[in-house]
Amino acid sequence: EIVLTQSPATLSLSPGERATLSCRASQSVSSYLAWYQQKPGQAPRLLIYDASNRATGIPARFSGSGSGTDFTLTISSLEPEDFAVYYCQQRSNWGSLTFGGGTKVEIK
Amino acid sequence: QVQLQESGPGLVKPSETLSLTCTVSGGSVSSGSYYWSWIRQPPGKGLEWIGYIYYSGSTNYNPSLKSRVTISVDTSKNQFSLKLSSVTAADTAVYYCARVPARYDSSGYYPSLMDVWGQGTTVTVSS
Repeated sequence: EIVLTQSPATLSLSPGERATLSCRASQSVSSYLAWYQQKPGQAPRLLIYDASNRATGIPARFSGSGSGTDFTLTISSLEPEDFAVYYCQQRSNWGSLTFGGGTKVEIK
Repeated sequence: QVQLQESGPGLVKPSETLSLTCTVSGGSVSSGSYYWSWIRQPPGKGLEWIGYIYYSGSTNYNPSLKSRVTISVDTSKNQFSLKLSSVTAADTAVYYCARVPARYDSSGYYPSLMDVWGQGTTVTVSS
């Protein structure tokens, strides 16, 4: 089973700052990685798929990069509505799906 | 646009079976373009994938839950359902249903990501 490890667990930043979130896979997942944003009391929302493609309606300040085992979600300049929890997710060769443990981006 | 809505009891007794239904509107569970998935989130914790079903009826479950999970689809009602047996307090969570686009490569069709989510329903396991 592929394990996704997200770091840091919590990121304390101010609006306007750049956020860099990491997701590391225990073995290669090629580019089969997605990122989600979840705000309190809401369902997750798809941000990035195939490691670097923004989903429909996602602002350009969100970008994803990486392949193999190391992936990054970057928010170029934090807006007040970006403070939330972010999850990465992959699919394995045998079809199972896995989420990382999440990174909380909080206001400093 | 497609919308998903979970429904079912909010309270289940220990050792009983949790049953939830996801109703799909604006789209069809019979579409070969999608898998249909269940995900859960215990209070204050992260997301856990439970399993998914394809319109053909083929399923795939999280190995940690496989012995207790059944996901089925009812094309006549445009719904898919989750049954989780022998529940304990550890199964207390918000349960989400989600749509999973089917992608294709040389190995065939495979699930990818969750692009549309229901709002979630809270299930508490308690006597």
